[in-house]
Amino acid sequence: SQQGEEDPQALSIQEGENATMNCSYKTSINNLQWYRQNSGRGLVHLILIRSNEREKHSGRLRVTLDTSKKSSSLLITASRAADTASYFCATDAPTSYDKVIFGPGTSLSVIP
Amino acid sequence: AAGVIQSPRHLIKEKRETATLKCYPIPRHDTVYWYQQGPGQDPQFLISFYEKMQSDKGSIPDRFSAQQFSDYHSELNMSSLELGDSALYFCASSLRAGVRTGELFFGEGSRLTVL
Repeated sequence: SQQGEEDPQALSIQEGENATMNCSYKTSINNLQWYRQNSGRGLVHLILIRSNEREKHSGRLRVTLDTSKKSSSLLITASRAADTASYFCATDAPTSYDKVIFGPGTSLSVIP
Repeated sequence: AAGVIQSPRHLIKEKRETATLKCYPIPRHDTVYWYQQGPGQDPQFLISFYEKMQSDKGSIPDRFSAQQFSDYHSELNMSSLELGDSALYFCASSLRAGVRTGELFFGEGSRLTVL
């Protein structure tokens, strides 16, 4: 299996705090992406980081990638109640560009 | 902007029946993906198509088949339905841009309930 785990499985924080979610994977990757999903809705792309990149920012999001540890983290700063959702990382392998595999996800609750 | 369109949004079937889900990708996107998501589960990759040809296959049961047509829409056919097939089925599309995977744009999903 390409994917490992996400950590934590569930996270509850107060509005304004930062939220950090981690993702591990097992095999070499081409890209790693983060998605968010509101309950029962389609997934929405947040950020893509390529295997030769170490860090990427987008607004309040910061993603890091450590290919030596086969792990990535997503940091959401100054969280808002609207950030409440499930967050998934997804990877594709160097030889299977279209086999984008999702990890177990972290359920984030931001309390107003 | 046009998004990925899936139909039907909800579908109720009996065991052993057949269901067909349809997906209309974003215009000019060259890759289509199908995922199955059970309650509280992560999306499971089923199958993908690049330029109308099957490009990768995941944990798709033999009872399921999919294809992409000349107009780029895709259909997922599920036969001999089982209770365990009840799930949200997502279609996504992307512009692969050669050998580099792009971001996936997801539809709102088709919720299949098997009774």
